Amino acid sequence: NAGVTQTPKFQVLKTGQSMTLQCAQDMNHNSMYWYRQDPGMGLRLIYYSASEGTTDKGEVPNGYNVSRLNKREFSLRLESAAPSQTSVYFCASSEAGGGATNEKLFFGSGTQLSVL
Amino acid sequence: QKEVEQDPGPLSVPEGAIVSLNCTYSNSAFQYFMWYRQYSRKGPELLMYTYSSGNKEDGRFTAQVDKSSKYISLFIRDSQPSDSATYLCATPGTYKYIFGTGTRLKVLA
Repeated sequence: NAGVTQTPKFQVLKTGQSMTLQCAQDMNHNSMYWYRQDPGMGLRLIYYSASEGTTDKGEVPNGYNVSRLNKREFSLRLESAAPSQTSVYFCASSEAGGGATNEKLFFGSGTQLSVL
Repeated sequence: QKEVEQDPGPLSVPEGAIVSLNCTYSNSAFQYFMWYRQYSRKGPELLMYTYSSGNKEDGRFTAQVDKSSKYISLFIRDSQPSDSATYLCATPGTYKYIFGTGTRLKVLA
């Protein structure tokens, strides 16, 4: 029972480099999310996909792009990494999506990204 | 004002103590409230959720919501070192999930 799988677990980039964080879920969930977690800031939503074929901006989308490749996979791309993007990134999924009632989120184990 | 506020701690307690973790929220339209537990270098996992006002108990954990004061609490009885983690309160909100910043708890053996 894998749940939500994120790769890679750790990554170090130089300023200006690009990379893609991969996420896959095997729970047949409709909605997927990308969060970043910084000390004192909590979890902040970057982008989300309420259903296959749709994506929407969250709270802090600048500098990121996403692709909902299919129902299982949701990737996050940093086109030109900046030190301010140093953070821990979490992918999550949920059955319903859209802030519905008692929607529960299932998280991956995170990617620790450092941008030098 | 943040929609969900939480004291970041850290909170250190001896093993066996009763722990009280608290959050406040600003929007009276919020109805569901969750507590997520996050161990170091792991993703958050859902611990408990409650609807509207009242208590919900699950083993050593009790979640409580007081809608009149917009106050959310999580109580841990007979705390164990394995309870050492960061606890995040959250609500699905009206259209998007909203998290508190998390309270770091350390239970000392």
